[in-house]
Amino acid sequence: ETGVTQTPRHLVMGMTNKKSLKCEQHLGHNAMYWYKQSAKKPLELMFVYNFKEQTENNSVPSRFSPECPNSSHLFLHLHTLQPEDSALYLCASSQGASGGPQETQYFGPGTRLLVL
Amino acid sequence: GQNIDQPTEMTATEGAIVQINCTYQTSGFNGLFWYQQHAGEAPTFLSYNVLDGLEEKGRFSSFLSRSKGYSYLLLKELQMKDSASYLCAVSSGGATNKLIFGTGTLLAVQP
Repeated sequence: ETGVTQTPRHLVMGMTNKKSLKCEQHLGHNAMYWYKQSAKKPLELMFVYNFKEQTENNSVPSRFSPECPNSSHLFLHLHTLQPEDSALYLCASSQGASGGPQETQYFGPGTRLLVL
Repeated sequence: GQNIDQPTEMTATEGAIVQINCTYQTSGFNGLFWYQQHAGEAPTFLSYNVLDGLEEKGRFSSFLSRSKGYSYLLLKELQMKDSASYLCAVSSGGATNKLIFGTGTLLAVQP
């Protein structure tokens, strides 16, 4: 148990569906992240939030829409996804977002997404 | 560009020592992390290096040479439970704690 939870753990959706992924951290951290992990590819940073403000959007398509209502919760809203979006979506949190050992990121177990 | 290279797969024997290498080329550098990821689970933090040299933590050690853009993770007294993917990640610095990951090295520990 790393203190970061994600729901659902598995999700199958059609290309016209709308769904949301949820992440919650119980570590008192101020920064939260969304990553995409595809087979044979590096973990890919999608979004960074620091004190609820988005500080990084790594050229992510608009069909992925993040929301951070407070420092403990992070959502990823999904709309009209493509089959190539099928991947493991990982959430992480850190104390802050300025780098260094105190900014070690702690990951949730991920949501395995399949787009049909 | 930003690039991190690691071997794709490695095999080692229980009780032995294995070294997993990582080379990087990034626009900035604010430290290098190693994570362990078992299949179907979250990556878990193993080590952090920002200065040159060796950091030892139990059976695991991590080395960094900033001038060479090189790091390695050393695992001693291998156990079957060490079979996992090992991810090298560089913090590229700047205003955001942006981690750039390698593809990971899948380590198989055999009896």
